[in-house]
Amino acid sequence: EAQVTQNPRYLITVTGKKLTVTCSQNMNHEYMSWYRQDPGLGLRQIYYSMNVEVTDKGDVPEGYKVSRKEKRNFPLILESPSPNQTSLYFCASNPGADQNEQFFGPGTRLTVL
Amino acid sequence: QKEVEQNSGPLSVPEGAIASLNCTYSDRGSQSFFWYRQYSGKSPELIMSIYSNGDKEDGRFTAQLNKASQYVSLLIRDSQPSDSATYLCAVRVTSYDKVIFGPGTSLSVIP
Repeated sequence: EAQVTQNPRYLITVTGKKLTVTCSQNMNHEYMSWYRQDPGLGLRQIYYSMNVEVTDKGDVPEGYKVSRKEKRNFPLILESPSPNQTSLYFCASNPGADQNEQFFGPGTRLTVL
Repeated sequence: QKEVEQNSGPLSVPEGAIASLNCTYSDRGSQSFFWYRQYSGKSPELIMSIYSNGDKEDGRFTAQLNKASQYVSLLIRDSQPSDSATYLCAVRVTSYDKVIFGPGTSLSVIP
């Protein structure tokens, strides 16, 4: 089944404790993104990657890191999480930057205490 | 001014009625427009895309685009309780070739 997977789905952590949210897609898509979704603000792009070893900042990159060592994986790293990073996070992929339909993962609900 | 705006709702319609969801955008040169549906606790899924002025129909859904007015809408005919969800408008902003999402409109279809 073609899909985007994320882990963990739910995470409660404390301020300053490094964490990684994994994302993997099995559709051989070149383009992958991370979004956060907050009430009233919609989906905001954190980082995106147009291909292996190519990443760039989205609209709200502060406090996040990403890497793209393999085409299928695009982990999101919070080196020192803070309470304002409490949010719902989605990973998404599409075949290429100019392809319009994005396929979203199931989401990761993160709470930082 | 926000780049993509939607009424947050909630919008309530009775079962069988037409639900009308609206979206405005600020980048006049935008060419691609999308509607995603998001059920509570789930991820967004694409339901319609539209690229030229006018109407585009797919089953019970009709997307309408008016580039002069910078306005795109989604009509849902014969609304069903299963249509209750948040609808996200997304626009590919030409100036920096990125898709921007609106905040979403919550729709509730009352049986």
